[in-house]
Amino acid sequence: GEDVEQSLFLSVREGDSSVINCTYTDSSSTYLYWYKQEPGAGLQLLTYIFSNMDMKQDQRLTVLLNKKDKHLSLRIADTQTGDSAIYFCAESANQGGKLIFGQGTELSVKP
Amino acid sequence: GAVVSQHPSRVICKSGTSVKIECRSLDFQATTMFWYRQFPKQSLMLMATSNEGSKATYEQGVEKDKFLINHASLTLSTLTVTSAHPEDSSFYICSASNRKESGELFFGEGSRLTVL
Repeated sequence: GEDVEQSLFLSVREGDSSVINCTYTDSSSTYLYWYKQEPGAGLQLLTYIFSNMDMKQDQRLTVLLNKKDKHLSLRIADTQTGDSAIYFCAESANQGGKLIFGQGTELSVKP
Repeated sequence: GAVVSQHPSRVICKSGTSVKIECRSLDFQATTMFWYRQFPKQSLMLMATSNEGSKATYEQGVEKDKFLINHASLTLSTLTVTSAHPEDSSFYICSASNRKESGELFFGEGSRLTVL
């Protein structure tokens, strides 16, 4: 079945880069997403990438996709304390369709 | 931009009562809405896909008689947790797809249900 895996925790120092990794199993995944969730809040879409892309950059965020290895990463440059949150990777076979989420990576940014 | 609103954001109820959670797309029509459940420190689990004007499609293991979903209009879907028990306490999140535009999914802010 479909499965999305993430490491559970990441701790970085303020100003460093953070790299959050995700692997997925569904070869029909067409859209891959990164969401941010702050405590007690809903989900905020950070960025997404189509499966025919290798990389997407949006300000401090860079998404890399290795479709062969089914590996997705999110790099946050110049990480700030306000970036502390849980980051979810998700995949979907079609845009606007149901999402399969990873377990979430809790990012802790230390001053 | 598009906004999805959930109400209530927080509800506490006694065991055995039923609770209704609303999910509204505020400035677009959503033919499809999704309901997710999230336990503390865990991922979001898809419960069901709500289609306007037809029956919801439930994921395996989700009791459809326990979690009633109604999608009566293009801007509103409701989730009713019937005869709630403490194990139903969770964070429920809906999402809606604006299929006329990019098809991007928008998430509500979530509803935290606590059953005493």
